[in-house]
Amino acid sequence: EAQVTQNPRYLITVTGKKLTVTCSQNMNHEYMSWYRQDPGLGLRQIYYSMNVEVTDKGDVPEGYKVSRKEKRNFPLILESPSPNQTSLYFCASSLSRANTGELFFGEGSRLTVL
Amino acid sequence: AQSVTQLDSQVPVFEEAPVELRCNYSSSVSVYLFWYVQYPNQGLQLLLKYLSGSTLVKGINGFEAEFNKSQTSFHLRKPSVHISDTAEYFCAVRLLQGAQKLVFGQGTRLTINP
Repeated sequence: EAQVTQNPRYLITVTGKKLTVTCSQNMNHEYMSWYRQDPGLGLRQIYYSMNVEVTDKGDVPEGYKVSRKEKRNFPLILESPSPNQTSLYFCASSLSRANTGELFFGEGSRLTVL
Repeated sequence: AQSVTQLDSQVPVFEEAPVELRCNYSSSVSVYLFWYVQYPNQGLQLLLKYLSGSTLVKGINGFEAEFNKSQTSFHLRKPSVHISDTAEYFCAVRLLQGAQKLVFGQGTRLTINP
């Protein structure tokens, strides 16, 4: 089954404790992206990747890092989480830059930073 | 830069009634337009998209949307809603050229009352 898989789905952590949210897709997609969803703000892009070893900042990259060492994986790293990073995070992928834009989303990772 | 405004944060309707969810966008160049749906505790999935051609596009679950270039709108409609349509709906735009980023509206929560 074609899917985008995120882990963990739920996480409560404390300020400053490094964490990684993993994202993996099995569709051989070139493009992958991370969004955060906050009430009243919709989805805002954090980082994206056009292909392996190619990443770039989205609209709200502060406090986050990403890497793309393999095509299928695109982990989101919070080096020193803070309470303002409490949010619902979505990983998404699509076929290629030439694609008309349909994104396939994971089920989300709800993060709480105390 | 492009932007999207969803004019209603919440829309309550009775079952079997018609519904319209409003979306306006701002862009100086041509765009692709999308509606995504997010059911409770799930990721987003594509409902429908406008790329070119006929301004009336049909999507899954009986939804349709009409692209109005002069009013820069892409309103979503359904003639008769069902309880299972309860979800959050997001309008999104993507530029035809350049980065593949989708810009999302703030979301509209559709609540269906029996």
